Amino acid sequence: QKEVEQNSGPLSVPEGAIASLNCTYSDRGSQSFFWYRQYSGKSPELIMSIYSNGDKEDGRFTAQLNKASQYVSLLIRDSQPSDSATYLCAAAGTYKYIFGTGTRLKVLA
Amino acid sequence: NAGVTQTPKFRILKIGQSMTLQCAQDMNHNYMYWYRQDPGMGLKLIYYSVGAGITDKGEVPNGYNVSRSTTEDFPLRLELAAPSQTSVYFCASSPIPGLATAYNEQFFGPGTRLTVL
Repeated sequence: QKEVEQNSGPLSVPEGAIASLNCTYSDRGSQSFFWYRQYSGKSPELIMSIYSNGDKEDGRFTAQLNKASQYVSLLIRDSQPSDSATYLCAAAGTYKYIFGTGTRLKVLA
Repeated sequence: NAGVTQTPKFRILKIGQSMTLQCAQDMNHNYMYWYRQDPGMGLKLIYYSVGAGITDKGEVPNGYNVSRSTTEDFPLRLELAAPSQTSVYFCASSPIPGLATAYNEQFFGPGTRLTVL
């Protein structure tokens, strides 16, 4: 069974701090990885995608991929209360995407 | 582009009724998916399609049926609705997921909130 594992949280960080979200995946054949943000009652929204080992930065967000350790992370710098949401990690398989259950992030003002 | 659209947004069904959830995408994606998400839980894949005329089961297909007659549309049919099917249903589409390239992410529709009483 191919899996993506995330800590469910909640992860609480003060406003302005760095939030660090992690996930691990089991399928070594996965080539691409994604972080989605989901606000309560809304659909998932893509934040970052990554498919090469190393870091990828986009504004306040940095995705990190380590294929040897089967580990993906998302760093959110200067966290804002509006970042409070559930963050879903996903790995792309051949025909479908495997999602983790999500980490709930709370940014405290 | 409208992206992925879903109708209806909300629906209440009585036990035993049937309905079809509509999903359409205008991005010319071959791959389409149906997920359900129960309160406080993750996404569970119901069915997916790799192209017109080709569908396959996901993790939780029981009580649902799909068809894919065109690239654009991927309706989900609920037969004999049960309270256990109360959930939020998301449709999604994507280019080829298995490619290690940019722009192969899934795009989600806004969801349909279904209650079965």
